Amino acid sequence: GNSVTQMEGPVTLSEEAFLTINCTYTATGYPSLFWYVQYPGEGLQLLLKATKADDKGSNKGFEATYRKETTSFHLEKGSVQVSDSAVYFCALSDHSSGPGNTGKLIFGQGTTLQVKP
Amino acid sequence: KAGVTQTPRYLIKTRGQQVTLSCSPISGHRSVSWYQQTPGQGLQFLFEYFSETQRNKGNFPGRFSGRQFSNSRSEMNVSTLELGDSALYLCASSLKSDRGGYTFGSGTRLTVV
Repeated sequence: GNSVTQMEGPVTLSEEAFLTINCTYTATGYPSLFWYVQYPGEGLQLLLKATKADDKGSNKGFEATYRKETTSFHLEKGSVQVSDSAVYFCALSDHSSGPGNTGKLIFGQGTTLQVKP
Repeated sequence: KAGVTQTPRYLIKTRGQQVTLSCSPISGHRSVSWYQQTPGQGLQFLFEYFSETQRNKGNFPGRFSGRQFSNSRSEMNVSTLELGDSALYLCASSLKSDRGGYTFGSGTRLTVV
């Protein structure tokens, strides 16, 4: 079945450090891939997405490239800020593998990022 | 435009009771999905509705049910509440359940005592 695996956290960085959060996936079809962010006490916010191989999603300085050959969608940011502290979720949506996956996101377990001043 | 609105934000119920949660999607969005978030199990898919029809369902017992109205608003109901049902329940809407991504509400925090 479909699944998403993220690196375990927490990840603790100093401000302006480089961020990488690894995400790999297993899917039977041709999934769309997403990164969501969750701030304390809030719901999920879509950070970026990619819908086909080699697509690069980007937003607010974050980037991720859909790598079909390595089934990966790693999140990167060149210089993190304290305000980036949150939980980050990698997710996939696999409509192409049949109606049983319609409207369904499969999430990784989440990675907590703590950025210290 | 207004985002996805979930009500209430917080709820405390007693074991054995039932509860109804509400979700108003973004205007024009016809797909509404529900998720349960717990520290132990993470984010798990409950069900998805599109044009008042349930199209997909996750692996939850029959105590969890939902519906969608003609204006795309959705409700989920949990009957005979158990302590393990304590969770953040999130609703997400999408234009047509396509590859464009889903917009989430802030969730309803349900505590069962």
